[in-house]
Amino acid sequence: GQQVMQIPQYQHVQEGEDFTTYCNSSTTLSNIQWYKQRPGGHPVFLIQLVKSGEVKKQKRLTFQFGEAKKNSSLHITATQTTDVGTYFCAGINNAGNMLTFGGGTRLMVKP
Amino acid sequence: KAGVTQTPRYLIKTRGQQVTLSCSPISGHRSVSWYQQTPGQGLQFLFEYFSETQRNKGNFPGRFSGRQFSNSRSEMNVSTLELGDSALYLCASSSQPDLKAGNTIYFGEGSWLTVV
Repeated sequence: GQQVMQIPQYQHVQEGEDFTTYCNSSTTLSNIQWYKQRPGGHPVFLIQLVKSGEVKKQKRLTFQFGEAKKNSSLHITATQTTDVGTYFCAGINNAGNMLTFGGGTRLMVKP
Repeated sequence: KAGVTQTPRYLIKTRGQQVTLSCSPISGHRSVSWYQQTPGQGLQFLFEYFSETQRNKGNFPGRFSGRQFSNSRSEMNVSTLELGDSALYLCASSSQPDLKAGNTIYFGEGSWLTVV
């Protein structure tokens, strides 16, 4: 079955530094979604990427979908303490009714 | 609009018991899916329902079951609980059945199950 891997598992940064998490799939993805889960909270949808090579921005967050649609990345510029949490990527199965999540990257920001 | 509501939020059960968790999706949402989250295994898909039909099931033993009612509310049941079933159980709902079409799923706050 589809496997989605994410690195790094943890990342400590100083506030103001940049942060990037990478997601790789064992199979070609039709779409990929990104979620953020704050400590003690539940995953919250951030964005969906559909097209090969797609780049989307949300303020300080930049999401990319690889040309081969097997990898994706999330980059945060100038991190803030409010960025703390675990960021998950998730691939969607062909039937469109199941998400396969990566292991997540836990971001910790030191003020 | 109210979000996805899960009950109970926290519960403690003993090995061998069974548990039923409930999920009320966002009003108008007909697709409900369940995920198990543990520190070791991360977020894993359990099952998905649309219009009372289970359309997909994850790689979990038969002790894990679920159902969806005509009002789209869903329940999941775990029988003969094991220590390893301790986890956060998340329910998510979506307005449309196909996530590839750009539809968002919304997660509830989850039910924290501890098996002792």
